Amino acid sequence: AQTVTQSQPEMSVQEAETVTLSCTYDTSESDYYLFWYKQPPSRQMILVIRQEAYKQQNATENRFSVNFQKAAKSFSLKISDSQLGDAAMYFCAYRGPLGSNYKLTFGKGTLLTVNP
Amino acid sequence: DTEVTQTPKHLVMGMTNKKSLKCEQHMGHRAMYWYKQKAKKPPELMFVYSYEKLSINESVPSRFSPECPNSSLLNLHLHALQPEDSALYLCASSLEDRGPSYEQYFGPGTRLTVT
Repeated sequence: AQTVTQSQPEMSVQEAETVTLSCTYDTSESDYYLFWYKQPPSRQMILVIRQEAYKQQNATENRFSVNFQKAAKSFSLKISDSQLGDAAMYFCAYRGPLGSNYKLTFGKGTLLTVNP
Repeated sequence: DTEVTQTPKHLVMGMTNKKSLKCEQHMGHRAMYWYKQKAKKPPELMFVYSYEKLSINESVPSRFSPECPNSSLLNLHLHALQPEDSALYLCASSLEDRGPSYEQYFGPGTRLTVT
């Protein structure tokens, strides 16, 4: 079974600094999809960024980027120029190949605090 | 428009009550999901509807009864709940559940308290 591990239950960062959240996963598949979701105190889960395993290029969305290391099964999220609004719980999630298990497997989450 | 709406935002119910949660999306998505989320935990999948048919029930107790009246609407009927069912209930949708359009968009959730 696929597992997703977020080894940092909590992280903090100073405003305008850079922080990296780690995520590792275990799968026997070669094709799959990885996501980072953000859940602020307002509760809504928001998709931050996604990465297709067949793509070698790391995904980037504005201040958010990932470091995808397929061989190491690592998928870390880097937040640059951190803002107060980035404070949230961040969940890493895995989805299997198309046509197979549709489920999202979530990590336990990392609570990010942004200090002014 | 990437919006999934959920009503009500908060719900308090007794163990003998019957209530319903509602989820709506107008993005043309054909897969809709119900998740349960406890505080500081990741969401747990409960049900998946694909093309208005129940495709997955993750062994959820029968006191939770999902319904998909049309492609835009998903309900969760609640009856005889237990205090441990208190949680945030999230709805999500995606264009398909197995196809290439795999991203799930979440609603804001309904905070349920069972007394």
